[in-house]
Amino acid sequence: KAGVTQTPRYLIKTRGQQVTLSCSPISGHRSVSWYQQTPGQGLQFLFEYFSETQRNKGNFPGRFSGRQFSNSRSEMNVSTLELGDSALYLCASSLKRQTPYKDTQYFGPGTRLTVL
Amino acid sequence: KQEVTQIPAALSVPEGENLVLNCSFTDSAIYNLQWFRQDPGKGLTSLLLIQSSQREQTSGRLNASLDKSSGRSTLYIAASQPGDSATYLCAVRLNFGNEKLTFGTGTRLTIIP
Repeated sequence: KAGVTQTPRYLIKTRGQQVTLSCSPISGHRSVSWYQQTPGQGLQFLFEYFSETQRNKGNFPGRFSGRQFSNSRSEMNVSTLELGDSALYLCASSLKRQTPYKDTQYFGPGTRLTVL
Repeated sequence: KQEVTQIPAALSVPEGENLVLNCSFTDSAIYNLQWFRQDPGKGLTSLLLIQSSQREQTSGRLNASLDKSSGRSTLYIAASQPGDSATYLCAVRLNFGNEKLTFGTGTRLTIIP
């Protein structure tokens, strides 16, 4: 079974631009969550999508948005990029609401975003 | 607000030794706790998941324990190997309906051959 895949793996953008990151969950997984990892703040939760609906949201500005498609694939968008948005962006997938006591979250390799 | 702490931030031990990594959390009302490892520049690999009703989980040379009342978890690694060198992160989840994980700051482990 293929794992969580994220594209692209690396991105370089300049301040003010926007970026879209993609995440394909493990087959059969319906929940996708996004995290930002930086050396200073560690791993922080951005948002979670399930059945094409945002279920939970972390404490990030509105420049960070996402969506989920009917095949459970998810995209994350960051508009008006700032230098502080440079980070490793990780997505995770899980079964959710199918096996409540075995709902391990599986992470992808991440997208490394550098904002110049 | 849930806060998760891992001490020490870094640890170096000779190959073959047994070791314990610590994780503490401030709100004991958790749904589960998960241990991950992260290799440099890579994503997270899930090691063990402990539900709130469980006391411990084992996988190979790894054993994780959970004491909800005291807000603590430990990850025990037996007979350490150089391949165990990585950053280890614990993460807690508050409830079934919320997939959000709150992560600790991590322990960077180096196994010295």
